[in-house]
Amino acid sequence: QKEVEQNSGPLSVPEGAIASLNCTYSDRVSQSFFWYRQYSGKSPELIMSIYSNGDKEDGRFTAQLNKASQYVSLLIRDSQPSDSATYLCAVISGTYKYIFGTGTRLKVLA
Amino acid sequence: ETGVTQSPTHLIKTRGQQVTLRCSSQSGHNTVSWYQQALGQGPQFIFQYYREEENGRGNFPPRFSGLQFPNYSSELNVNALELDDSALYLCASSFSGLSSGNTIYFGEGSWLTVV
Repeated sequence: QKEVEQNSGPLSVPEGAIASLNCTYSDRVSQSFFWYRQYSGKSPELIMSIYSNGDKEDGRFTAQLNKASQYVSLLIRDSQPSDSATYLCAVISGTYKYIFGTGTRLKVLA
Repeated sequence: ETGVTQSPTHLIKTRGQQVTLRCSSQSGHNTVSWYQQALGQGPQFIFQYYREEENGRGNFPPRFSGLQFPNYSSELNVNALELDDSALYLCASSFSGLSSGNTIYFGEGSWLTVV
């Protein structure tokens, strides 16, 4: 079992719709969770971090964490073509080691 | 812009050669970590440096080594290059390597091609 699992996609959504990206992790003691966005040929950029169960909102982005189910999600409201990218879920293992999923490729159709 | 700078941005090396990649951390950050990202994969943790010492390492062989300097900049050295070392090498900086929850910020990366 991979430590962090994501559906590779592509996930295609029409412009203006809500995109829902999901991630599961295997380490029950993980406390810190992150979403990064990576455009083709570029490095990952941080979108959000979340540490507590529940929802965390930042503009059009909402991260959701359920530690009991070992599940993290990212919702993107009012999706735009510029949101088309690969979204990486990351979990801290131990005190500092980030474990990344393989990413979900999102395509927002104009 | 994260303030993390890496050089060179692209390079091509021959199998068996050695390469050095460089990274300057964001102002105020004292910890640098290095990641390898192969095509179609997520970044894989190589190692982390804090106070000029390696304080964590992933599943990479000893031919991957590094340094951190007093100004918190860092180098990644790879000896005896293999074709599978072709990847994007990412440097990430953060403040403090000793507590959990530290957010890392990536530089633009160095694309290494081994032929």
